[in-house]
Amino acid sequence: QVQLQESGPGLVKPSQTLSLTCTVSGGSITSGGSFWSWIRQYPGKGLEWIGYISYSGRTYYNPSLKSRVTISEDTSKNQFSLNLSSMTAADAAVYYCARGGGINWFDSWGQGTLVTVSS
Amino acid sequence: DIQMTQSPSTLSASVGDRVTITCRASQSIGAWLAWYQQRPGKAPSVLIYKASTLQIGVPSRFSGSGSGTEFTLTISSLQPDDFATFYCHQYNTFATFGQGTKVEV
Repeated sequence: QVQLQESGPGLVKPSQTLSLTCTVSGGSITSGGSFWSWIRQYPGKGLEWIGYISYSGRTYYNPSLKSRVTISEDTSKNQFSLNLSSMTAADAAVYYCARGGGINWFDSWGQGTLVTVSS
Repeated sequence: DIQMTQSPSTLSASVGDRVTITCRASQSIGAWLAWYQQRPGKAPSVLIYKASTLQIGVPSRFSGSGSGTEFTLTISSLQPDDFATFYCHQYNTFATFGQGTKVEV
């Protein structure tokens, strides 16, 4: 049973970069055919896919966020990370990491981490 | 972008009711659709994928149907644990979600 856990600061200042890490247990992020995504959920409950990194390290981002997003991996720690630059109040949300993306549904999710944007 | 439109936004129901939620895609997505249940304070959890395939461990009272642009999630007999918010998700092109349907008493 794959488990995912997000970590990172819950408070970010406007214009700064958000950095979150997802630690995966019970499965390898390099397992063939697997995709690993970041998804956020706004206070109004809407869900937005941010992007994914594949088992081979290939990344794909939501076009609406592409200019600000970087997803990377640390295979030695079985982790993948999200960097979202130029944060504004509109980026305040619960951020989830999940297994899935590409042609796959999201079958395992982290518990989510609330990110607030404030000076 | 493929837009996903769910209806209704809110649904009032009672234990034992048959419940149907609809999701429409702005263009054809084949059967690349999943349904999730989200309880307050928790992450979404997949119920159905490929439009009609039940995720392992999900009760058989949940079912999904449809293809192309119109899809439905049906709960055959609503149980107390089912009061939650449900989302559809297309994964034909990138990933987009419906706005959610809250099932309440």
